[in-house]
Amino acid sequence: RKEVEQDPGPFNVPEGATVAFNCTYSNSASQSFFWYRQDCRKEPKLLMSVYSSGNEDGRFTAQLNRASQYISLLIRDSKLSDSATYLCVVNMYGSGGYNKLIFGAGTRLAVHP
Amino acid sequence: GAGVSQTPSNKVTEKGKYVELRCDPISGHTALYWYRQSLGQGPEFLIYFQGTGAADDSGLPNDRFFAVRPEGSVSTLKIQRTERGDSAVYLCASSYTADSSYNEQFFGPGTRLTVL
Repeated sequence: RKEVEQDPGPFNVPEGATVAFNCTYSNSASQSFFWYRQDCRKEPKLLMSVYSSGNEDGRFTAQLNRASQYISLLIRDSKLSDSATYLCVVNMYGSGGYNKLIFGAGTRLAVHP
Repeated sequence: GAGVSQTPSNKVTEKGKYVELRCDPISGHTALYWYRQSLGQGPEFLIYFQGTGAADDSGLPNDRFFAVRPEGSVSTLKIQRTERGDSAVYLCASSYTADSSYNEQFFGPGTRLTVL
């Protein structure tokens, strides 16, 4: 079983739609959580950190359920520019004393006019 | 300011050859990481440097892979006797420190390695 699992998609949605991505992780010792965005043939970039209380940044809302080992990302009012791959990332910080990021395979989003 | 830079951006080599991939982290960042990303997959951890020392090299796939960071800044990933399965994008990332679980890692554009 992979340490971080995501639905690969692709999710094809019209502009303005709301879309949700889910992610599960296997190691309960995971310390912190992130969503990264990766455009085609580009490097990953941090979209947002995910906190236990849930957090929102504009149209983006991330939630964490430690008991279920589940992370989600909600994108409201999708824009064409949201088209990218969204990577769910778990930080194993603590087990080795440094930030060891474990990435999911990514969920591809395509927003169309 | 300048981000993480990697050279070359693309490298095509023949099976059995030796390659070096270079990473220039963000100035002042003490933590440096190498990842490998295969098609359709997320980045996979290879090695972590804190300063000059490799604090964790558990992700290196075998002894053909080696990395150095002699002065605590620039790092070089070295691959000996390349195999076709080594073809991937090699990503470098740096962070200011590694002592907080929410320290952001900033990624370079990667080196796309193709082994023929």
